[in-house]
Amino acid sequence: GAVVSQHPSWVICKSGTSVKIECRSLDFQATTMFWYRQFPKQSLMLMATSNEGSKATYEQGVEKDKFLINHASLTLSTLTVTSAHPEDSSFYICSARGVVEGAGTQYFGPGTRLLVL
Amino acid sequence: DAKTTQPPSMDCAEGRAANLPCNHSTISGNEYVYWYRQIHSQGPQYIIHGLKNNETNEMASLIITEDRKSSTLILPHATLRDTAVYYCIVGETGANNLFFGTGTRLTVIP
Repeated sequence: GAVVSQHPSWVICKSGTSVKIECRSLDFQATTMFWYRQFPKQSLMLMATSNEGSKATYEQGVEKDKFLINHASLTLSTLTVTSAHPEDSSFYICSARGVVEGAGTQYFGPGTRLLVL
Repeated sequence: DAKTTQPPSMDCAEGRAANLPCNHSTISGNEYVYWYRQIHSQGPQYIIHGLKNNETNEMASLIITEDRKSSTLILPHATLRDTAVYYCIVGETGANNLFFGTGTRLTVIP
């Protein structure tokens, strides 16, 4: 149980294009989903938190107009990197949390590696 | 802000128990201890969590000291596939920001 998928697993795009990444909870309903970013040899950093049906909450320093998050259903959240630039190249990871019972554990997707040329 | 401290790296012989320590001396009463691991180029994998009692599942055991200021993750029979970065995280129920810190890089040696 508690499986989270991401699509695509990797993407290469030209500078200036937009890229959409999907995150799905496959066997549970995710009331809250999270988007993280990880640069090489660094730890995960939370970008934003989204609750189904409401606007995402972004961490300090993360541009909400550049990283568009939509959490339209209890099993799907999308992250769109708009007008991507080489500095946006990173490993993007989503996680999902179901109804908060007990510890409210987050379960992570396999990640999406983005390379912007 | 780091709420936990872990050794940066550890080695363990294949087939032996791997004991990964974590200090969390400022943990509050309603904070859980979570353990995740990240194998190279993959998303973090949930391992186990606990509040104050010791916990065991099919992957590992979690031993939390009585004062809750430290804990140990035990992989009973380490395999090469257990080579990963292990993160000890403390957080309240439903906490949004899991601060991953730098973790412990465990290398299982044949």
